[in-house]
Amino acid sequence: DGGITQSPKYLFRKEGQNVTLSCEQNLNHDAMYWYRQDPGQGLRLIYYSQIVNDFQKGDIAEGYSVSREKKESFPLTVTSAQKNPTAFYLCASSQGTGSYYGYTFGSGTRLTVV
Amino acid sequence: AQKITQTQPGMFVQEKEAVTLDCTYDTSDPSYGLFWYKQPSSGEMIFLIYQGSYDQQNATEGRYSLNFQKARKSANLVISASQLGDSAMYFCAMRESAGGTSYGKLTFGQGTILTVHP
Repeated sequence: DGGITQSPKYLFRKEGQNVTLSCEQNLNHDAMYWYRQDPGQGLRLIYYSQIVNDFQKGDIAEGYSVSREKKESFPLTVTSAQKNPTAFYLCASSQGTGSYYGYTFGSGTRLTVV
Repeated sequence: AQKITQTQPGMFVQEKEAVTLDCTYDTSDPSYGLFWYKQPSSGEMIFLIYQGSYDQQNATEGRYSLNFQKARKSANLVISASQLGDSAMYFCAMRESAGGTSYGKLTFGQGTILTVHP
């Protein structure tokens, strides 16, 4: 079955550490997205990529970095510059960028700073 | 300015009754899509229903229907015959055309927590 796999499901980070969240899709989708969700809040866009080797900052990119070396993979690194990284992170992909395309989401990674 | 507004932080409904979750949006793009997603406590995002800006009829998917009032920029979700499993967070989202400033991304509202009572 096609879908998006995010790993790990839970991640603990120490202060000052960089951590990388994995996102892999086998849907052959060109566009991929990373969102952050804080408790009781909506989703905010961190980064997005419309094609391999290209990505753009979203609304809250500071303290995060991404790469898109393969169509299937869009990992997110939460750097030590991100002052408040504890949140739920969702990866998504879309077949295209037209307004009629929805997203397929992964099951998310819950990141906690310890 | 908020592009998607969900004014109901929480809603309660009795099992088997219908419930309406409100959503208003703001865009000057003539071409856009409106989506509703359900997020259970597990965190996954489940697509429920889609309405295109040029669609003449309201979208329906099983027990879900979208009350689309274009002039009012309103896209309310109606859940008929509520079930206990409908208890979750519900998000309204909008996607404008890719050529606009939003680069074709989905913009989400703050969500409404629905609780279904037995």
